[in-house]
Amino acid sequence: EVKLQQSGDELVRPGASVKMSCKASGYTFTDYAMHWVKQSPGQGLEWIGTIIPLIDTTSYNQKFKGKATLTADKSSNTAYMELSRLTSEDSAVYYCARELTTEGMDAWGQGASVTVSS
Amino acid sequence: DVVLTQTPPTSSATIGQSVSISCRSSQSLLDSDGNTYLYWYLQRPSQSPQLLIYLVSKLGSGVPNRFSGSGSGTDFTLKISGVEAEDLGVYYCVQGTHDPYTFGAGTKLELK
Repeated sequence: EVKLQQSGDELVRPGASVKMSCKASGYTFTDYAMHWVKQSPGQGLEWIGTIIPLIDTTSYNQKFKGKATLTADKSSNTAYMELSRLTSEDSAVYYCARELTTEGMDAWGQGASVTVSS
Repeated sequence: DVVLTQTPPTSSATIGQSVSISCRSSQSLLDSDGNTYLYWYLQRPSQSPQLLIYLVSKLGSGVPNRFSGSGSGTDFTLKISGVEAEDLGVYYCVQGTHDPYTFGAGTKLELK
């Protein structure tokens, strides 16, 4: 069974950073790209960026450059996203989702909520 | 960025009724490689999105064939032929032809 298990919900202070994980199982991690998507009430769904674990290549939405950093650890089949200099605008649910070339994001993590509050 | 406009914002249907959702793009989604990177996803209440359709009209794995996608260029349609209770939720179209990927605002399918 394909599964993307995300780390837990986070409550963080403004100005801090948070790093979340997405552990893949049930498939060959390096065969797929991993996307990260933000869902906030005011902005709907937004694509943050993608990492291709096989070649450690990343692609970012310009809006999230400098905000999000995507990495992957092939030894543990885990993708990571770090969000820096957090503000209330970063409070949202974040999803990881895999994609095989152009066939769509066919498996999603359960989502991780980030709340930025003092 | 490419803007995807979905209509209607909300659709009310009875079980068994057929419904269509439109997605209009601000730019053509036909890529230079000949593919059109238009996808449809369903997000059920309190769940993660799930893939329904990829490349305009290809059915995702395990997706019932009452779902179908069509369109080209800037105009696309998702049709559900015979709504079932499990189909309720928010439907999103997504484009991957132009950087960055963008999502429509969603169409909420409710029971009438």
